[in-house]
Amino acid sequence: EAQVTQNPRYLITVTGKKLTVTCSQNMNHEYMSWYRQDPGLGLRQIYYSMNVEVTDKGDVPEGYKVSRKEKRNFPLILESPSPNQTSLYFCASSLGGESEQYFGPGTRLTVT
Amino acid sequence: QKEVEQNSGPLSVPEGAIASLNCTYSDRGSQSFFWYRQYSGKSPELIMSIYSNGDKEDGRFTAQLNKASQYVSLLIRDSQPSDSATYLCAVKRRGSQGNLIFGKGTKLSVKP
Repeated sequence: EAQVTQNPRYLITVTGKKLTVTCSQNMNHEYMSWYRQDPGLGLRQIYYSMNVEVTDKGDVPEGYKVSRKEKRNFPLILESPSPNQTSLYFCASSLGGESEQYFGPGTRLTVT
Repeated sequence: QKEVEQNSGPLSVPEGAIASLNCTYSDRGSQSFFWYRQYSGKSPELIMSIYSNGDKEDGRFTAQLNKASQYVSLLIRDSQPSDSATYLCAVKRRGSQGNLIFGKGTKLSVKP
């Protein structure tokens, strides 16, 4: 089944404890992206990647890191999480930047 | 001015009616426009993409783009209770290969 998977789906952590949210797709998509969704602010792009080893900042990249070493994986790294990073995170992938994006199920992160 | 604006709603229509969802954007040079649907607690899913002025129809859905007026709309004919969701307008930022800006979404409620 074609899909985007994210792990973990739910995570509660403490301020400053490094964490990684994994994202994997099995559709051989070139493009992958991370978003966060917050009430009243909508869906905002954090980082995106047009291909392996090619990443670019979205609109809210501060406090996040990404890497794209393999085509199928695009992990989101929070080196030192803070409470303002409490949010619902979505990973998405598509054939290209113009194409339909397929979203993962989301990861609900709480930083205390 | 916000880059992508939508009326947050809720927009309430009776079953069988036409639901009209609107979106305006600030960058006149934007070329790619998308409508996503998001059910509560779920991931966004693409309904329509549109790139040229005019109408694009897909089943009960019609997307309309007017670049001169900088708006894009989504019409849902014969609305069903299952159409009740939040509809997100997304615009690809000019000059970027994959930077998508989402509006905050319009919540649609279709009453039986």
